[in-house]
Amino acid sequence: DAGVTQSPTHLIKTRGQQVTLRCSPKSGHDTVSWYQQALGQGPQFIFQYYEEEERQRGNFPDRFSGHQFPNYSSELNVNALLLGDSALYLCASSFGQGGLGVYGYTFGSGTRLTVV
Amino acid sequence: AQRVTQPEKLLSVFKGAPVELKCNYSYSGSPELFWYVQYSRQRLQLLLRHISRESIKGFTADLNKGETSFHLKKPFAQEEDSAMYYCALKPHSGGSNYKLTFGKGTLLTVNP
Repeated sequence: DAGVTQSPTHLIKTRGQQVTLRCSPKSGHDTVSWYQQALGQGPQFIFQYYEEEERQRGNFPDRFSGHQFPNYSSELNVNALLLGDSALYLCASSFGQGGLGVYGYTFGSGTRLTVV
Repeated sequence: AQRVTQPEKLLSVFKGAPVELKCNYSYSGSPELFWYVQYSRQRLQLLLRHISRESIKGFTADLNKGETSFHLKKPFAQEEDSAMYYCALKPHSGGSNYKLTFGKGTLLTVNP
């Protein structure tokens, strides 16, 4: 089992552009959460997807949107990129209606986004 | 609002010494507390959660609701314990709040 897979691993974009990040959850997991980790900070919750719907959202602007597909994979889209969006974006999967599951999240390695 | 504070950004100890990584939280309801660890060049992984009440790799953590703390302890640190440690909080099961709130992390270095 490859665990949580994220692509791409690194990305450089220009201010104002749009970006799409992808995540395949661990086999058997049905819930996907996205986190933003700025340098020197802990991960910050962006949103969580369950049953193809956004179940909860953190304090992020509408420029951040997402999607979950029937196979439980997910995308994170960010429009009108700002320099401050430069960060590591982590995907975490889990199983269970409670959002976190019995064993907690399984994290991916992340996508490093640099906005120039 | 949920908040997690890890007062130490860096912690350095010698091998064999006791180690304690501090975590304080703020939450009005009943929380679930976790410790996550990230070893060099590896992904973030769950170390332990308070409801399990188990010891993982010699680490333990007790939830102190009176002091709103969840400090991580190990009696004898090993060099392989060197890593970034994150304390995290989630509202207890139930309701519609699934958000996991992380502290800023403590970088533990165990010197030989």
